[in-house]
Amino acid sequence: DSGVTQTPKHLITATGQRVTLRCSPRSGDLSVYWYQQSLDQGLQFLIQYYNGEERAKGNILERFSAQQFPDLHSELNLSSLELGDSALYFCASNGGSRLNTEAFFGQGTRLTVV
Amino acid sequence: SQELEQSPQSLIVQEGKNLTINCTSSKTLYGLYWYKQKYGEGLIFLMMLQKGGEEKSHEKITAKLDEKKQQSSLHITASQPSHAGIYLCGADGRNTDKLIFGTGTRLQVFP
Repeated sequence: DSGVTQTPKHLITATGQRVTLRCSPRSGDLSVYWYQQSLDQGLQFLIQYYNGEERAKGNILERFSAQQFPDLHSELNLSSLELGDSALYFCASNGGSRLNTEAFFGQGTRLTVV
Repeated sequence: SQELEQSPQSLIVQEGKNLTINCTSSKTLYGLYWYKQKYGEGLIFLMMLQKGGEEKSHEKITAKLDEKKQQSSLHITASQPSHAGIYLCGADGRNTDKLIFGTGTRLQVFP
């Protein structure tokens, strides 16, 4: 158990809908990273938050947004869903603003868009 | 932007054999991480390398960082079925907090 909790584990939704994925980092970790993993794209970095503020941005679509709340949990919002958004979404956390220590990953949320 | 390329993409070995996975970066490496992933599950941290020439071992897995070559290698000695999975290298750049990952190497170990 990495200490990072993601909910829900599975999500099936229709095209055009909006979903919210939730991530609770390890106790005390200030940074949360979001990743998308699909078969053809591999593990893609989406966005990072540190202590409530956006820190780094990757290949995140405009239809996607994220935030980190005062209690440090984070949510990834995916809207106007398309079939191609079907993937595993992971979040990871670590303690610092810089990645000088290992990041711990959650078990992921498997999103299926039908 | 920095990219990480892993080779081979896929590896099938017989139990007991040694194997090596390589990770090559398009830019200078400042931190290199190795993770293992069981299919459809989260990533498990294996090792982190930060200095050129650094070498770390955990059980039968050894990783080295060749900073000059912008490359890292992961070596498994006497492979076992429990080593099967996807191995991913990750790296962060000097001026970025992004942690990017390589394309992954799928390892299968048969008895």
